[in-house]
This record gives sequence, C-alpha cells and structure tokens, in this order.
Amino acid sequence: GAGVSQSPSNKVTEKGKDVELRCDPISGHTALYWYRQSLGQGLEFLIYFQGNSAPDKSGLPSDRFSAERTGGSVSTLTIQRTQQEDSAVYLCASSSSGVAYGYTFGSGTRLTVV
Amino acid sequence: AQSVTQPDIHITVSEGASLELRCNYSYGATPYLFWYVQSPGQGLQLLLKYFSGDTLVQGIKGFEAEFKRSQSSFNLRKPSVHWSDAAEYFCAVGTNDMRFGAGTRLTVKP
Repeated sequence: GAGVSQSPSNKVTEKGKDVELRCDPISGHTALYWYRQSLGQGLEFLIYFQGNSAPDKSGLPSDRFSAERTGGSVSTLTIQRTQQEDSAVYLCASSSSGVAYGYTFGSGTRLTVV
Repeated sequence: AQSVTQPDIHITVSEGASLELRCNYSYGATPYLFWYVQSPGQGLQLLLKYFSGDTLVQGIKGFEAEFKRSQSSFNLRKPSVHWSDAAEYFCAVGTNDMRFGAGTRLTVKP
C-alpha cells in the first residue's frame, strides 16, 4: 500500500481481556517496528523485525506482550490479560532498510483499557 | 546505556520568532540522528535526518538541525516560526532501531 496501515484505529477493551493490533507495512519494506506512546510521553520501543532475522524483543514490557510478523509483511501485536497501564497509542513503522532511511509511521491504534 | 534527552518539555514562542529545540544523546558510537514532528491527531512525520558529512542538515518546512559531536547534540532550529508549526517534536537516534526522546511541545503565540 501507499502507507503504513494500522487497525483498528481505536480499541476499547475490558481489563483482563486479550487484544490484537494489526500493522500492514509499506509493500517491500523489510523492517517493521512497534512503539508505544503513552499520554504525554515519548515513544517507547517495543519490538523490531528485520527480514527473516529473529526479532529484537528487548523493548517488550512484560511477557503479556508478544508480536509476530507473517510472511515478512503483516504484523500483529498481541497483549494478553490487558491492564489499565497498557492504555496508550500503539504505533507501527516500517522502513526499506532499517534506521538509515528513516521510518514511515502508521496513524496508530489508540488502546483504552477500562 | 543509550538515551535521548530533550530537556524542554514545553516551549512557547511568538509567531515570526526564531526557534531552537534541544536534543542530547548518549550512544556507543555516532548514531543516525532524526527529528520528527507530530501534529495533533496526526502521525509522525520525518523532518530531517543526519548520517554523516555536513553537520548542518536541512529539512522540510524550513527546519534545519546541527550535529555537534563534541556536545552529543542535534538541535533543531527554524529562523521564523509559523502558527502551523505548533506540534510535538521528537528527536530520535539509532543504528539498528530508533530510540526517541520524550518530546518537546511547541506552542506558537499570535
């Protein structure tokens, strides 16, 4: 596609439920990143996929968070047993070849845990 | 440890005045350096980036930034601010992945 597409744009869920957030990167982009932006905060790195390499999961805040990237394209970020502190905007970005070329960001998914 | 610091949480300038947003970083080697802007309700847009070479880089919307290795800084500047520049500005650094500062919110007074 022309840009990075994220769905849903908004998600309200009850505490304790699982949620899945989807990211569809720009076609041909080998690198895909997930970030979390809490209210009034900067972007917190979560996970990074580069081609067929093992993902860098060093930013995932707990084992309730996981992500996968199927076929080197679409990625899903899953949060299990959601907590209120998980409420944030989850941003996905893709790049043609890693950091050097900068990222193209999606519009994000605003997650609210009630 | 890698870190990106934007010392100013919020800056207010008058329209037409000059602007400088500060960014300092701590990294093992000179990383790639970026500035992004996030307007209300909008996604992040890349303003400019530095890889190597000329330490003064030009970006979109009339912005520029200067890399100073001795100060580990990459400050963003604009000679004359427009009301439409009101937004959140993020400095980012990285090599394999990008780490962001906490952001500086810019308010522009008429």
